[in-house]
Amino acid sequence: AAGVIQSPRHLIKEKRETATLKCYPIPRHDTVYWYQQGPGQDPQFLISFYEKMQSDKGSIPDRFSAQQFSDYHSELNMSSLELGDSALYFCASGIRFENIQYFGAGTRLSVL
Amino acid sequence: SQQGEEDPQALSIQEGENATMNCSYKTSINNLQWYRQNSGRGLVHLILIRSNEREKHSGRLRVTLDTSKKSSSLLITASRAADTASYFCATRSGYTGANSKLTFGKGITLSVRP
Repeated sequence: AAGVIQSPRHLIKEKRETATLKCYPIPRHDTVYWYQQGPGQDPQFLISFYEKMQSDKGSIPDRFSAQQFSDYHSELNMSSLELGDSALYFCASGIRFENIQYFGAGTRLSVL
Repeated sequence: SQQGEEDPQALSIQEGENATMNCSYKTSINNLQWYRQNSGRGLVHLILIRSNEREKHSGRLRVTLDTSKKSSSLLITASRAADTASYFCATRSGYTGANSKLTFGKGITLSVRP
């Protein structure tokens, strides 16, 4: 069965650079979620989209932005990267009226 | 995270023993879910219990929910070395169809010794 695909799996950036993370949800899922998990931390909700519209916003820095495209894939854009942005970034997809979220394998971002 | 605080943070047991992990939360919830994460990998949904349910079973998993105490427990019976992972509880507060983000608690690292 198709799963949530995230790319790249690993990304190394310098401070003040930009990064773009991509997420391809499971086909026919209408909702995409982004989470950030720092080292040894629990996942923190960043932002979600339902049918290509932003539906909820969590602790996402102003330096980050995200969108969902017409083919339902989503991108998380991160600018002016800071050391503290080093984390695992997960994308999850689901069907809005159901409860389970299906997570991708994550993108590990290292900011040097 | 202030929601979904797990207790204990690390648990080491022998294969074949049962593992119990507890979680507490602070706000009203629609449902509570448990997820598993192998080291540095994605989260995998294990089991969901709704706010009007008290107990749920799935294979070797048993989850309980006490909404009066705002707490849940996950029991893994007859543990296996392959159960070694981090386990997170996550709560959903919105009603069905509304903002459905999950609020995760701090993970519990379970080590099952062969």
